[in-house]
Amino acid sequence: GAVVSQHPSWVICKSGTSVKIECRSLDFQATTMFWYRQFPKQSLMLMATSNEGSKATYEQGVEKDKFLINHASLTLSTLTVTSAHPEDSSFYICSASWGVNSPLHFGNGTRLTVT
Amino acid sequence: QKEVEQDPGPLSVPEGAIVSLNCTYSNSAFQYFMWYRQYSRKGPELLMYTYSSGNKEDGRFTAQVDKSSKYISLFIRDSQPSDSATYLCAMSAGRGAQKLVFGQGTRLTINP
Repeated sequence: GAVVSQHPSWVICKSGTSVKIECRSLDFQATTMFWYRQFPKQSLMLMATSNEGSKATYEQGVEKDKFLINHASLTLSTLTVTSAHPEDSSFYICSASWGVNSPLHFGNGTRLTVT
Repeated sequence: QKEVEQDPGPLSVPEGAIVSLNCTYSNSAFQYFMWYRQYSRKGPELLMYTYSSGNKEDGRFTAQVDKSSKYISLFIRDSQPSDSATYLCAMSAGRGAQKLVFGQGTRLTINP
């Protein structure tokens, strides 16, 4: 069964609004979670590393003020896309693992469409 | 040059065939190697996980890592239509298996 749960699975929002995506680790605690973005027919690109109790680490080129990450508990990380624009439309996927030497498990993704 | 190279395909084979999927990489520091399967509009699902070189088998799936050649493979035996998906290789260096670098993914179709 799934070890990482992501919600919602899809969302449509209007340009200028904000959208929050939740990622939960099931049955285990994850001090670190990862947020990826995937464009059609392309591979996953790491956006940021979410650290429980501290600030997220963003990859080069990712706007931290636009993609707000909060990792308030050991089982929940959230990604908020602020002031969304059509170019933010994409497939966002979170991941987590049991430990630093364990492989990542992914959520089922959130398809965001900004109109 | 990308750190991880994977032929995007598409690859189409008849049901029952043996499928071979491959990735090459340039970073000799990679230690953890994974294969994920991704169905359309879903997140990647972990298939195989290997640390360092060697082979690993799980049911119809076999993963091989050749670090001397910087080459990894995934073999699928007795392929089924339900195996039709995109297969992503991923690898990691340094701090464990968490900060992954992905290949582009190979789209595979198994024809009944």
